This record gives sequence, structure tokens and C-alpha cells, in this order.
Amino acid sequence: GAVVSQHPSWVICKSGTSVKIECRSLDFQATTMFWYRQFPKQSLMLMATSNEGSKATYEQGVEKDKFLINHASLTLSTLTVTSAHPEDSSFYICSAREAGTNTGELFFGEGSRLTVL
Amino acid sequence: GEDVEQSLFLSVREGDSSVINCTYTDSSSTYLYWYKQEPGAGLQLLTYIFSNMDMKQDQRLTVLLNKKDKHLSLRIADTQTGDSAIYFCAEREGGFKTIFGAGTRLFVKA
Repeated sequence: GAVVSQHPSWVICKSGTSVKIECRSLDFQATTMFWYRQFPKQSLMLMATSNEGSKATYEQGVEKDKFLINHASLTLSTLTVTSAHPEDSSFYICSAREAGTNTGELFFGEGSRLTVL
Repeated sequence: GEDVEQSLFLSVREGDSSVINCTYTDSSSTYLYWYKQEPGAGLQLLTYIFSNMDMKQDQRLTVLLNKKDKHLSLRIADTQTGDSAIYFCAEREGGFKTIFGAGTRLFVKA
């Protein structure tokens, strides 16, 4: 089955630093990838939709200068949390939709837990 | 905006059936999904149903869709301790944007 890999699985950083999270589709091409943020015991909050070769579409209330998204190839999207602060600590999950399919099934990465000290 | 609601917690005994319910608001939803999330992990698609179907069965899983009432349910037969997880109901809006419910935490007692 389709596999999506996220890296790193967890990261601890100091306040004010930037952190990059990678999302890779390992055995399929993903024209569209999605980035979510999940707070404890809550649902996934869609942050942005990342389309290969074009600018990401951000959801209302998500700062695009804070959460930089790049989707440079059909198998890789990156999320960079710039100037991270403790309130950015969360579980970030990416998902990918396989190009050419219509069911809308999303394949999820394992998630990346960010802790900002 | 579009909304998906589900109960937050369900506790069952091992061997019993579990029924997780979900309601959604977007009448134009084309696909509805059930995802499973185990602790500290991403989501895994369990099953999905197309909006013109009212039932789908896959081994221990049965999905029922009442499009008139915008109600979706997931029944897990012979629930096992390994089924303990969070189950998310989701609907696909026009295009490929997917809206998730808050998740139902299923606890299976041995």
C-alpha cells in the first residue's frame, strides 16, 4: 500500500529557532499534500494544502509566514515552523493524495511531535 | 462552515460489538471515511463509503450511511483489545478537502 513518511518523528528546539519537517510519499506520486496540526485529544486541524509546483493554500487563521510550506517535487513537501515559540508545540501530521485517483483517500505520515522550549 | 460531529468516548467489553456514530452537515459530500489513530501515530484509513451507497461491509467492519439524516456509523463486530484507538469520521467536500470530526476514543475492556 501507499506509504507516507515524515521526518523527524519528534524534535525539541529552543524558542526562536526554525524547524523543518519533511513529508515524503515513498511509492507513489502526490500532487497534493496536506498539513495538519493536532492538539491533545482533539481532531486534526487543516493548516494548508500543498500543491506541487505552486504556492500552498492556507486555511483561515494560519500564518503563512510562520508556517512555510514547500512542495518542490511530486514526492516531497516540507513544513518549516519559523521562529518557533512554545505555543507552536504540537503534533504535526501530513497526508498525501495519490495522483490520478478519485476516491480522495488520504495516506498519512506518522506525525512529527514538536516541542519548543 | 462544514462540520463533522461524533461522540468523544465509547467503552465496550471484548467480544461485544462497537458502534461509533457521526453526523455531518455537507449534503454534497461525495465520500465519507473512517480513519483509525493509534497513540502517537498518524491516521490509517479503515474504510470509506461513496455517498450513493447506504451500506458497506468489510470483514468485521460495517459502515451505514443515512444520507437523508446525514448520519454515518461504524460497527466493529467482535471488538478486540487491539481495536482500542481513536476513530475519526471524515467527509470529503468538493475537490479533495477533507473535514475530520473530533474523534471517538474507543476503549475495549478485557
